Amino acid sequence: AQSVTQPDIHITVSEGASLELRCNYSYGATPYLFWYVQSPGQGLQLLLKYFSGDTLVQGIKGFEAEFKRSQSSFNLRKPSVHWSDAAEYFCAVGASDSWGKLQFGAGTQVVVTP
Amino acid sequence: DGGITQSPKYLFRKEGQNVTLSCEQNLNHDAMYWYRQDPGQGLRLIYYSQIVNDFQKGDIAEGYSVSREKKESFPLTVTSAQKNPTAFYLCASSPRPSTEAFFGQGTRLTVV
Repeated sequence: AQSVTQPDIHITVSEGASLELRCNYSYGATPYLFWYVQSPGQGLQLLLKYFSGDTLVQGIKGFEAEFKRSQSSFNLRKPSVHWSDAAEYFCAVGASDSWGKLQFGAGTQVVVTP
Repeated sequence: DGGITQSPKYLFRKEGQNVTLSCEQNLNHDAMYWYRQDPGQGLRLIYYSQIVNDFQKGDIAEGYSVSREKKESFPLTVTSAQKNPTAFYLCASSPRPSTEAFFGQGTRLTVV
């Protein structure tokens, strides 16, 4: 069975500092991996996705993520955060036949301080 | 603009009443999904449908029902059998296998 772990429930970062959000997954075959962002009371917006190929993927809003098969990880990074990056971030894993049926992590709440 | 529309945004119901949440998409996507979101638990799949007139249970289907009579629509009914229905409900769709899900803006249901 698929599972996703986001070890950090809450992260506080200063504006302009770098950000890294951790995601570990459990899946037997090559997973399809996603990062979504959610502002309060809103739906989820896709930041980036990994299906195959280059293990470093670029997304929207200056985010990137690196797939490391040996560590079963798909960590999200941003070199310099903006106040607008304050939100909740979800890592998700899907299978090749999952039709978008995803397993989500519990989320990481990011707070950005001045 | 193409997208997924959930209505209403906020819904209040008395305990013991059934309530139906609407989800409409104009993206021409084949698959649609309902997720439930609770604080600290991420999203959990309730039901999904890959084609009209067919749907499958997800991880937490008990107390919920759905229908898929049209490709564009996938309403969710929260029945009185659902023990703890207060939550944020998210509808999503995807165009084909192995692709990302696109989400609506959600409906916050509060049962009093």
